[in-house]
Amino acid sequence: GENVEQHPSTLSVQEGDSAVIKCTYSDSASNYFPWYKQELGKGPQLIIDIRSNVGEKKDQRIAVTLNKTAKHFSLHITETQPEDSAVYFCAATFQGAQKLVFGQGTRLTINP
Amino acid sequence: NAGVMQNPRHLVRRRGQEARLRCSPMKGHSHVYWYRQLPEEGLKFMVYLQKENIIDESGMPKERFSAEFPKEGPSILRIQQVVRGDSAAYFCASSPSPSGASTDTQYFGPGTRLTVL
Repeated sequence: GENVEQHPSTLSVQEGDSAVIKCTYSDSASNYFPWYKQELGKGPQLIIDIRSNVGEKKDQRIAVTLNKTAKHFSLHITETQPEDSAVYFCAATFQGAQKLVFGQGTRLTINP
Repeated sequence: NAGVMQNPRHLVRRRGQEARLRCSPMKGHSHVYWYRQLPEEGLKFMVYLQKENIIDESGMPKERFSAEFPKEGPSILRIQQVVRGDSAAYFCASSPSPSGASTDTQYFGPGTRLTVL
């Protein structure tokens, strides 16, 4: 079935350290993997996405890696700052459909 | 350049009433998606629409829920005879026309938080 597993559910890191969030998906035909950041009371904000023809993508302090063989992808945030504190969701598409299937979310807390 | 707009931001209804949630996509976007988020959970897909067409409603409950995206005006998610279990945040996203077989980026609105008393 269509499933995205996300770990960990909560993550606490010291300011300046790196944070890594991992997701696995069930459909080998999945080809689009976005990451969203959601702050309290707000809608999800796209922070980075990757398509299946690329193994890694970077945007300043944020990077995403994709391993299609293992069916997993990860979000890496370096030099974390207090404003990075939020809930992060990974997502994937399945069987060519446009709908996104989301992971359960990771609550990231950056400790000053 | 306005983003996705949703209104109302907060909606309170009593059991048995109707809830109407509105979504205006980003300028130039012709595709709309509705997702529901229960407290402390991820987002669940409900329905995907183009103008005047429902493309995928595989996530819509079979009863009481309906959606439309008319030629003119916003997309509407309608919930009839609301029950307490309908209390959730409802998010709308929009995208330009997906290009070929690829999936286009979806941009989300701020959501409507529905509370059923």
